[in-house]
Amino acid sequence: EIVLTQSPATLSLSPGERATLSCRASQSVSSYLAWYQHKAGQAPRLLIYDASKRATGIPARFSGSGSGTDFTLTISSLEPEDFAVYYCQLRSNWPPTWTFGQGTKVEI
Amino acid sequence: QLQLQESGPRLVKPSETLSLTCTVSGGSISNSSYYWGWIRQPPGKGLEWIGIIYYSGTTYYNPSLKSRVTISVDTSQNQFSLKVSSVTAADTAVYYCARLRLGPHRLLPDLFDYWGQGTLVTVSS
Repeated sequence: EIVLTQSPATLSLSPGERATLSCRASQSVSSYLAWYQHKAGQAPRLLIYDASKRATGIPARFSGSGSGTDFTLTISSLEPEDFAVYYCQLRSNWPPTWTFGQGTKVEI
Repeated sequence: QLQLQESGPRLVKPSETLSLTCTVSGGSISNSSYYWGWIRQPPGKGLEWIGIIYYSGTTYYNPSLKSRVTISVDTSQNQFSLKVSSVTAADTAVYYCARLRLGPHRLLPDLFDYWGQGTLVTVSS
């Protein structure tokens, strides 16, 4: 079973600053990693898929990178609406399972 | 615009069965490019995948929940449903339904691209 570990648990930053979020897999995985933004009371929103591709309508300040076991979500310059919880997620091949990391909270 | 809406009882007694339905609008649940799934978030915790289903009825379940979970699909109603049996307080969570997109040349979907707003289900006597 693949475990996704996100760090840090909480990131305290100011608007305009750069945010760097990490997602580490317990074993080398495919690059089919996704990132989601989740705000309280709302549906999670897909940001990044295949590790580095932005989903439709996602601003260019969001970028993803990584391969193997280490993946990164970068927000180049935080906007007020970016303060939320971010999750990484991956599908394992066998048995087929869809795993989420435990989340990183980006707070002001 | 695709929309997913969860519905069902918000309060379930311990040992009973939790039942939720997700109604899909703005798209067909029978589209071969998509799977449909359930995810939950217990209070103060992260997201947990429950299971997914294809319009044909093929299912995949979280091994940790498999013995208690059943997901079914009703293509005539454009709905899919979740049942969790023998619930306890640990099953209290916000339950989300979502769509999973099949990427090119892939046998299984990798990501959840549309989500419902979620519904809080509380297990309590």
